[in-house]
Amino acid sequence: DAGVIQSPRHEVTEMGQEVTLRCKPISGHNSLFWYRQTMMRGLELLIYFNNNVPIDDSGMPEDRFSAKMPNASFSTLKIQPSEPRDSAVYFCASSPPAGMNTEAFFGQGTRLTVV
Amino acid sequence: GENVEQHPSTLSVQEGDSAVIKCTYSDSASNYFPWYKQELGKRPQLIIDIRSNVGEKKDQRIAVTLNKTAKHFSLHITETQPEDSAVYFCAPGRFQKLVFGTGTRLLVSP
Repeated sequence: DAGVIQSPRHEVTEMGQEVTLRCKPISGHNSLFWYRQTMMRGLELLIYFNNNVPIDDSGMPEDRFSAKMPNASFSTLKIQPSEPRDSAVYFCASSPPAGMNTEAFFGQGTRLTVV
Repeated sequence: GENVEQHPSTLSVQEGDSAVIKCTYSDSASNYFPWYKQELGKRPQLIIDIRSNVGEKKDQRIAVTLNKTAKHFSLHITETQPEDSAVYFCAPGRFQKLVFGTGTRLLVSP
C-alpha cells in the first residue's frame, strides 16, 4: 500500500482565495483525521471521521473551514476564504478498525502558505 | 477540553546517554497512550504505545511507563544515538481521538 496520500504537497495562495486539500486514506482504514501543525500551536486535531461520518469537529477553528468525506477513499478540507494565519502544515491520517484505539498513519502533509 | 503537557520542551544529551520525556494529561477516561516521533520535515510516526491495563512496555532501546492514577506516562530512550534527534509527541486518547502534546525536541550530540 502507498500509505496515506495527500495533495497538493505545497500550496501558495493569496488571501481570500478558496483552498482545497485532499486526502486518500489507506485502503481498509475506517477512521480519518485532519490535523494542523504550526510552531505556535503544535499539532491540533481539526476533525475526525469514522465510517465516513464526522464524529468530532470541535477542533475546526471557524466557519471558514469545512471537511467532507463522500466515500471511504477520499476526504477534503476546504478553507474559504483563506487568511494568512491559516498558513501551516496540514496532515491527514487514517487508522484501521481493529480495537478501540489504534495507530494513526500520517500522510506527508500539505504545506499551505497564504500571502 | 483535554490538556496535554510534555516536559521538558527541549532536551540535549550526549550520544549513549539516556533520555526521559514525561507527558501529563487531564482526561481520566484516556485509555491509550502512544508516543510519536517526527523528524525534521517529515510526518509523525508511532514508535511505541501502551494501553491502560499495562504499566510498562519495552521495545529494544525505547520504553513507555504509565501511571494512570497520577495521569502521566513517560518515554524512556536508552543508549541514545544521533538518529534519535527529533521531536517527540505524546498523544493520549480514547475512542480513536488522539490529542497531541506540545512536543519535546531531543538533540543527541555525537
